[in-house]
Amino acid sequence: EPEVTQTPSHQVTQMGQEVILRCVPISNHLYFYWYRQILGQKVEFLVSFYNNEISEKSEIFDDQFSVERPDGSNFTLKIRSTKLEDSAMYFCASSEAGGGGTQYFGPGTRLLVL
Amino acid sequence: AQSVTQLDSQVPVFEEAPVELRCNYSSSVSVYLFWYVQYPNQGLQLLLKYLSGSTLVKGINGFEAEFNKSQTSFHLRKPSVHISDTAEYFCAVSDQGSGTYKYIFGTGTRLKVLA
Repeated sequence: EPEVTQTPSHQVTQMGQEVILRCVPISNHLYFYWYRQILGQKVEFLVSFYNNEISEKSEIFDDQFSVERPDGSNFTLKIRSTKLEDSAMYFCASSEAGGGGTQYFGPGTRLLVL
Repeated sequence: AQSVTQLDSQVPVFEEAPVELRCNYSSSVSVYLFWYVQYPNQGLQLLLKYLSGSTLVKGINGFEAEFNKSQTSFHLRKPSVHISDTAEYFCAVSDQGSGTYKYIFGTGTRLKVLA
């Protein structure tokens, strides 16, 4: 069964450093998403991406964040200058359709900013 | 603005007993509703979803949920749980027809099945 994969599974970085989280969505999916979950809190939407551009972003997704689909398979989330409060589990998701389309989630990348 | 409330942060239940995990939402528009399960060290897996039609939705692993529009609820039920159902369960909502596809999640309910 096709699945969303994410690398790395864990990432430790120093405050102020740049990190890139990578995701390989399901191959025939057209919509891509990033969510995050700070420890003990709810899963929060960050950004959605369709047709090679951002279709929606949350207030969390400020200028420090960017997303890219550099080739036909990868979908990346970059944090330019990490802050302590960026420590969280980051989930990538993809869906075949938009409204009502089931989003399939990856296993997540746990980011720890020291 | 949309929101999802899962009132129970933890639910302990004995094996083979029934369980209900509660989910209430608020939204000014019609919604799609989802339940996801997260096993330890794994991603979110879809259990079931309500898009339209019958308000009783059946999902994987014997779970079902009922959409109640008047009570804005989408409670998850299973008549007889197994040890393997121990996991965290998330309710999520997504707007219909507004052009936004993001999910709004509840805070999750940790189901612990006891032997």
